[in-house]
Amino acid sequence: EVQLLESGGGLEQPGGSLRLSCVVSGFSLSNYVVSWVRQAPGKGLEWVSSLSGSGSSKYADSVKGRFTISRDISKKTLYLQMSSLRAEDTAVYYCVREDQFLESLYNYWGQGTQVTVSS
Amino acid sequence: EIVLTQSPATLSLSPGERATLSCRASQSVRSTYLAWYQQKPGQSPRLLIYDASHRAAGIPDRFSGSGSGTDFTLTISRLEPEDFAVYFCQQYAIFPGTFGGGTKVEIK
Repeated sequence: EVQLLESGGGLEQPGGSLRLSCVVSGFSLSNYVVSWVRQAPGKGLEWVSSLSGSGSSKYADSVKGRFTISRDISKKTLYLQMSSLRAEDTAVYYCVREDQFLESLYNYWGQGTQVTVSS
Repeated sequence: EIVLTQSPATLSLSPGERATLSCRASQSVRSTYLAWYQQKPGQSPRLLIYDASHRAAGIPDRFSGSGSGTDFTLTISRLEPEDFAVYFCQQYAIFPGTFGGGTKVEIK
């Protein structure tokens, strides 16, 4: 069974840093694209970053240069290092697995972790 | 970037009624790469429909999707109590996939 479990969210001041983790089960990070998608309070969904099975990364313009996506395959864990945080980064962050054949189609979602950026 | 506009923002219906949700794209969605997701309060989104009309695994057949080009529809034939939720459409034809603003289906 495919599962994704996020952790690491919390309250951080503007300009601060947080590292989100996503532990996966039921598949290998080497074989699928896994992404972070966020949802600001009362708002829609926004793609943040992706890491392919081969290790190539992509970022939304809104986070490029501030966020870094990485993984530890042996620990079955995906990370999102978030720095220079802004109030507009406040959101629930979901770890999602893409379809094997259709880019950006999100078959599986974690339960999400809340990130709040406020002084 | 493809902008998706969902309407109505809120749909107030009774259990057993038919729900029709609309998703309009700012440009044609190639190969009908359009998905629908359901999100209940406090939960993560769940994939319902992909490729505009294909139900994801385990999705009841009261959910159906249709459309092509710029106009897409999600229909729930008879609302069950567990169907009252927010529904998002998403295009994945052009990277990165973008989402509509959502339609809330609430109990009348």
